[in-house]
Amino acid sequence: RKEVEQDPGPFNVPEGATVAFNCTYSNSASQSFFWYRQDCRKEPKLLMSVYSSGNEDGRFTAQLNRASQYISLLIRDSKLSDSATYLCVVNSASGGSYIPTFGRGTSLIVHP
Amino acid sequence: NAGVTQTPKFQVLKTGQSMTLQCAQDMNHEYMSWYRQDPGMGLRLIHYSVGAGITDQGEVPNGYNVSRSTTEDFPLRLLSAAPSQTSVYFCASRDYSGANVLTFGAGSRLTVL
Repeated sequence: RKEVEQDPGPFNVPEGATVAFNCTYSNSASQSFFWYRQDCRKEPKLLMSVYSSGNEDGRFTAQLNRASQYISLLIRDSKLSDSATYLCVVNSASGGSYIPTFGRGTSLIVHP
Repeated sequence: NAGVTQTPKFQVLKTGQSMTLQCAQDMNHEYMSWYRQDPGMGLRLIHYSVGAGITDQGEVPNGYNVSRSTTEDFPLRLLSAAPSQTSVYFCASRDYSGANVLTFGAGSRLTVL
């Protein structure tokens, strides 16, 4: 079983829709959590960190549920430019450092 | 501020050839790492380094060597390329202050025939 699991999608939604992705992780000692965005043939870039209390950045809301070991990303009022792959990242302690583990990504397609 | 620079962007090799993918960062980051990305597999960690002179294996290290003689550079060596190493390779670095966020290079697309 992979340490970080995501539904690969694709999620195909119209402009203006609200869409949510979940990501589950297996290491209960994981320390920090992130969502990255990756456009086609480009490098991943940080979208937002995920905090226990939940956090919001404009149309994007991230939540962490440590008890159930999942994180979520909610995108409101989807734009065409939101079309991308969204990668869940979990940092876990290993030998004195924090090693990031990536999920396989969830593909989002926003259509007119 | 260049960030993380990877070279080459594209490379075609024949089976058995060797090559080095270069990665350099100018942010004085201690942590550097190499990932490969294949369709349906996501990003998988090959090797990482927590500082100059220190390297460690990730999830898929076989067939790859690394070294870290300076803080800035973290080259990835393929000693005898195999078709299974056809992939997109990303180098990423991170500092230890604050958010632990990775900064990626633009990627190197490698094809092994």
